[in-house]
Amino acid sequence: GAVVSQHPSRVICKSGTSVKIECRSLDFQATTMFWYRQFPKQSLMLMATSNEGSKATYEQGVEKDKFLINHASLTLSTLTVTSAHPEDSSFYICSAREGTVHSNQPQHFGDGTRLSIL
Amino acid sequence: TQLLEQSPQFLSIQEGENLTVYCNSSSVFSSLQWYRQEPGEGPVLLVTVVTGGEVKKLKRLTFQFGDARKDSSLHITAAQPGDTGLYLCAGTTSYGKLTFGQGTILTVHP
Repeated sequence: GAVVSQHPSRVICKSGTSVKIECRSLDFQATTMFWYRQFPKQSLMLMATSNEGSKATYEQGVEKDKFLINHASLTLSTLTVTSAHPEDSSFYICSAREGTVHSNQPQHFGDGTRLSIL
Repeated sequence: TQLLEQSPQFLSIQEGENLTVYCNSSSVFSSLQWYRQEPGEGPVLLVTVVTGGEVKKLKRLTFQFGDARKDSSLHITAAQPGDTGLYLCAGTTSYGKLTFGQGTILTVHP
């Protein structure tokens, strides 16, 4: 089955630092990757859609300069939380999907990254 | 914006009981997925339903997609403690994005 690897699984860092999270599709090429944020006992909220070779599309209310997304290859997308603050602490999850933007292929999720900003 | 209303948000039952989780929308989805998520992990896909009126079974889990492709249900028969987790429905929009319901936290007590 399709496997998505997300790294690191947990990050604890000081306020003001930048944190990079990687999302890799291990056995398929992912034209599109998605980044979600999840608060405890709540559902997933889509932050942005990452398309290989083009700029990410951000959902309303998500600061693109705060959450930098790079999708340089068909198997890797990165999310960088710049100048992180305690309110950025959350569970970040990526997903990857084969096919074009309008594809109906299922999304396969990584195991998430628990980000804690002190 | 296509919204999915998922209910109930919390469900606490005894082992052996049956339960149903509902997802409803005023919008039509091209497909609908059900996921199960454990704490500290990503969601794991249980099923995808595509055709209106479709029914899929996965052991003790039965998934149904409404005729108009606006709603779906998940029914679990004879729940077990291992079924405990967060269940999420998600509809695929015309732009290929997933719209998630609010989630249902299921606790099955032995």
